[in-house]
Amino acid sequence: RKEVEQDPGPFNVPEGATVAFNCTYSNSASQSFFWYRQDCRKEPKLLMSVYSSGNEDGRFTAQLNRASQYISLLIRDSKLSDSATYLCVVGGFKTIFGAGTRLFVKA
Amino acid sequence: DARVTQTPRHKVTEMGQEVTMRCQPILGHNTVFWYRQTMMQGLELLAYFRNRAPLDDSGMPKDRFSAEMPDATLATLKIQPSEPRDSAVYFCASGLVPDGRSGMNTEAFFGQGTRLTVV
Repeated sequence: RKEVEQDPGPFNVPEGATVAFNCTYSNSASQSFFWYRQDCRKEPKLLMSVYSSGNEDGRFTAQLNRASQYISLLIRDSKLSDSATYLCVVGGFKTIFGAGTRLFVKA
Repeated sequence: DARVTQTPRHKVTEMGQEVTMRCQPILGHNTVFWYRQTMMQGLELLAYFRNRAPLDDSGMPKDRFSAEMPDATLATLKIQPSEPRDSAVYFCASGLVPDGRSGMNTEAFFGQGTRLTVV
């Protein structure tokens, strides 16, 4: 089993839709959690950290469920510019990236 | 504007040749990662340095790969001899982990990557 697992997608959604991604992790001792975004042929960049209490940044909401060992990302009112690969990241002794979920937002 | 710098950006080499990739982390960062990304495997962690000391390189094929930090401003990843299956994008990332913490809890900043093709 991989340390961090994500549904690779792709998710194809129309503009304005709400889309949610989940990510599971295997190490219960993991300390920190993030979502990164990667555009085609570019480097990954931090989208948002994920806190135990959940957090929101504009149209993006991240949640952490330690008991079930998963994190989620919700994107509301999808824009064309949201099309990218979203990487779940779990930090502990090592920082491990999931393989990513591809999102395509269509006009 | 502080950023992680990787060189070269692109490298095409013949099987059997040595490849050296370089990374300049952001000044003041104490943690450096090397990742490899392919379509099939996604981002794989190869090596991880804290304060220039290697903490984990279990993701790296030891027989042909080596990673070092000769000083705080330079990290290197070498492949010798290179093979076609090494073709990938190699990313370096740096970050700052507070003293007393074991893992990364702040943003990891990535370089633009080295796209390696071994023919």
